[in-house]
Amino acid sequence: KQEVTQIPAALSVPEGENLVLNCSFTDSAIYNLQWFRQDPGKGLTSLLLIQSSQREQTSGRLNASLDKSSGRSTLYIAASQPGDSATYLCAVYNQAGTALIFGKGTTLSVSS
Amino acid sequence: KAGVTQTPRYLIKTRGQQVTLSCSPISGHRSVSWYQQTPGQGLQFLFEYFSETQRNKGNFPGRFSGRQFSNSRSEMNVSTLELGDSALYLCASSSGTPNTEAFFGQGTRLTVV
Repeated sequence: KQEVTQIPAALSVPEGENLVLNCSFTDSAIYNLQWFRQDPGKGLTSLLLIQSSQREQTSGRLNASLDKSSGRSTLYIAASQPGDSATYLCAVYNQAGTALIFGKGTTLSVSS
Repeated sequence: KAGVTQTPRYLIKTRGQQVTLSCSPISGHRSVSWYQQTPGQGLQFLFEYFSETQRNKGNFPGRFSGRQFSNSRSEMNVSTLELGDSALYLCASSSGTPNTEAFFGQGTRLTVV
């Protein structure tokens, strides 16, 4: 059974710092991995989708990598800003490709 | 292009009542999935519909049910509400091809008193 773990659960950094969020999964036979952002009480915003054939994906200040063999993905945020404060969730699809399995998220706080 | 729309945004219900939540997917998307988010359990998959058929179901009791209409809009129903059903219910829309990018709505916050 696929399990997704995110470490750390919470992270506080000063503005301008580069940071890395970690996501690990137990079954390396995944297809795609998706990173989301969630602001308090809101829905999920899709940040990046990494397909299984890709090693990394970039969008602006965000870079996500995928290493299937080690069961890990990282989300790199460059030059963090207070507006980046949110909970970041990673998710992988189940075997059928029809349901996302989520980690518990990393809550990021960026202070100015 | 319009995103995923969930209605209502907030609901307060009494134990024992039933509730229906609605989700309109992105235009052209044929798959709608439902998730429950609670502080303790995080995000958990409820079920997924594609072309009016339930294609996958999570590990929730039969009180939780759903359906999808021919225009891809979906409804989720919870009967005999319990206090533990209080949660943020999120709907996700995708093209319907497995493993493709999912887009979420703003959610419906259900409070059971």
